[in-house]
Amino acid sequence: DAGVIQSPRHEVTEMGQEVTLRCKPISGHNSLFWYRQTMMRGLELLIYFNNNVPIDDSGMPEDRFSAKMPNASFSTLKIQPSEPRDSAVYFCASSLDWDQQFFGPGTRLTVL
Amino acid sequence: GESVGLHLPTLSVQEGDNSIINCAYSNSASDYFIWYKQESGKGPQFIIDIRSNMDKRQGQRVTVLLNKTVKHLSLQIAATQPGDSAVYFCAENIPTGNQFYFGTGTSLTVIP
Repeated sequence: DAGVIQSPRHEVTEMGQEVTLRCKPISGHNSLFWYRQTMMRGLELLIYFNNNVPIDDSGMPEDRFSAKMPNASFSTLKIQPSEPRDSAVYFCASSLDWDQQFFGPGTRLTVL
Repeated sequence: GESVGLHLPTLSVQEGDNSIINCAYSNSASDYFIWYKQESGKGPQFIIDIRSNMDKRQGQRVTVLLNKTVKHLSLQIAATQPGDSAVYFCAENIPTGNQFYFGTGTSLTVIP
């Protein structure tokens, strides 16, 4: 099993640009989670999906952030427009129901 | 102004000694707990889990203890090795809401 796949692994962009992060969960998993990790705030849950439906997006910082899950094998997290304070490592994780979550390698985002 | 990051608890142990990492969780309704290990530059990895109907669970070189009375969780690592150096997170699952809440983590350094 390839595990959770995230792309890109690193992203450097300029303030104001649109950023799209991608995630492929483990096949057969029905829950998907997006997290952000920073030195200031640690690991924060942004949003999670169950059976492709967003269940809780209360962790999404503001309207500049949006997430979609068009099918069971793909999800995106979009930031538009990006700001320097969005710089962080973004993790995607998947699980079967509410069992343990398997994390991807993360996307390190730097907004200049 | 000056930025302040998270102050991670740190633990340094000699190679071969046993390590104990502690975690206080917040919600008495939490019924499932997981310990994750995060190495530098990687996503969190599952180590061991325990459900609230148990007090102790053992894995390979690791043991998790749960004290529901004081809402305390601990991870014991036997014969600690340099490869155990990482940040360790505990996560609790609260049945209502169906998501995991992560602690701030403890940084473990193994001294050869």
